[in-house]
Amino acid sequence: KAGVTQTPRYLIKTRGQQVTLSCSPISGHRSVSWYQQTPGQGLQFLFEYFSETQRNKGNFPGRFSGRQFSNSRSEMNVSTLELGDSALYLCASSSAQGIVTQYFGPGTRLTVL
Amino acid sequence: GDSVTQMEGPVTLSEEAFLTINCTYTATGYPSLFWYVQYPGEGLQLLLKATKADDKGSNKGFEATYRKETTSFHLEKGSVQVSDSAVYFCALSDLNTGTASKLTFGTGTRLQVTL
Repeated sequence: KAGVTQTPRYLIKTRGQQVTLSCSPISGHRSVSWYQQTPGQGLQFLFEYFSETQRNKGNFPGRFSGRQFSNSRSEMNVSTLELGDSALYLCASSSAQGIVTQYFGPGTRLTVL
Repeated sequence: GDSVTQMEGPVTLSEEAFLTINCTYTATGYPSLFWYVQYPGEGLQLLLKATKADDKGSNKGFEATYRKETTSFHLEKGSVQVSDSAVYFCALSDLNTGTASKLTFGTGTRLQVTL
């Protein structure tokens, strides 16, 4: 099976812009979670989608949003970018509710100038 | 809330040395425990996991045992290689609190193995 894929791999934006990141889960996986990784804060949970519904959300401002499509692909959007949003954004998928093993993609490296 | 504490790095070892990376956790329920590894410029790879007390996860020579009495999940390897150089993350997810999909990570421990 192909692994989790994320596009784009690298992105450079300026403050105030918005950005959309995409994640395709492993075939058959219905849950997609997003994480932000920064040197200062480490790995932090953003949100999780299961069957097109947001099931869990971390402590991030409303500028961070996401959605999931019927084919389980997910997108994450960040509006009004700030310098502090520069990070590696990781997507993870798992097969079903209650099944806890998550498999991660390679990440999207976002740089905000 | 849930939390994971890992030993500070970097850990520098010579090839073929014994590795231990300490991990302890705090959780309200009965978590599943994981070790993930991150190589430079890459995402996280699942290394091993354990879902209940006294379970031992193992993979590629790495082992960790779920110790409920000491709330620990220490990572060990008998003989490290240069190719093991990476950052290792201990993590938990807590099914009993309804947040099985959310992984709580430690801060990561960088391992450097030299010849």
